[in-house]
Amino acid sequence: GQNIDQPTEMTATEGAIVQINCTYQTSGFNGLFWYQQHAGEAPTFLSYNVLDGLEEKGRFSSFLSRSKGYSYLLLKELQMKDSASYLCAVDQTGANNLFFGTGTRLTVIP
Amino acid sequence: NAGVMQNPRHLVRRRGQEARLRCSPMKGHSHVYWYRQLPEEGLKFMVYLQKENIIDESGMPKERFSAEFPKEGPSILRIQQVVRGDSAAYFCASSHQEGRSGDEQYFGPGTRLTVT
Repeated sequence: GQNIDQPTEMTATEGAIVQINCTYQTSGFNGLFWYQQHAGEAPTFLSYNVLDGLEEKGRFSSFLSRSKGYSYLLLKELQMKDSASYLCAVDQTGANNLFFGTGTRLTVIP
Repeated sequence: NAGVMQNPRHLVRRRGQEARLRCSPMKGHSHVYWYRQLPEEGLKFMVYLQKENIIDESGMPKERFSAEFPKEGPSILRIQQVVRGDSAAYFCASSHQEGRSGDEQYFGPGTRLTVT
């Protein structure tokens, strides 16, 4: 079967670092996306990983291990505006769509 | 440089009525995807279209739902005889090429359908 697992909710303190994990089991794999979605708004692109390893982009970094079916999104120097849902999505071989997890709702507290 | 446009942003329909949701892709994009997001759930793929063609409708319910992307004008997702279970946020995304290998899909703001 196909499955993407993410924690449902996380809470972290302003200025801290938080890691949001995503494990996946899919039939075919091209790469993995992370999107940010504020309540009531559209998902916005954060990162796309194809190869194993860590990709850093400002305060956000994303890691992928294809052999383990595992990815994480790392957010540093958390700000209140980072409170949002973070969606993990797999780009599957032979599929025309993205396969999304249910998302992790992150709350940043002062 | 407008992004993906969707309208209406909010739509209220009574059971049995029809809902028509519109999506205008980003300029230069010819690939459109529709997703549905139920409360507390992830986005679920519904249909993938190119101009005048439905490429993949594997995620569409077999009845009452249809989609089109005409040569001119926006893509339309049509839901006939709506039921309460159709209440959800419907997101449209567009991409420049066939959305593979990192060609990211840009999402619109969504249409929130409420069926009363």
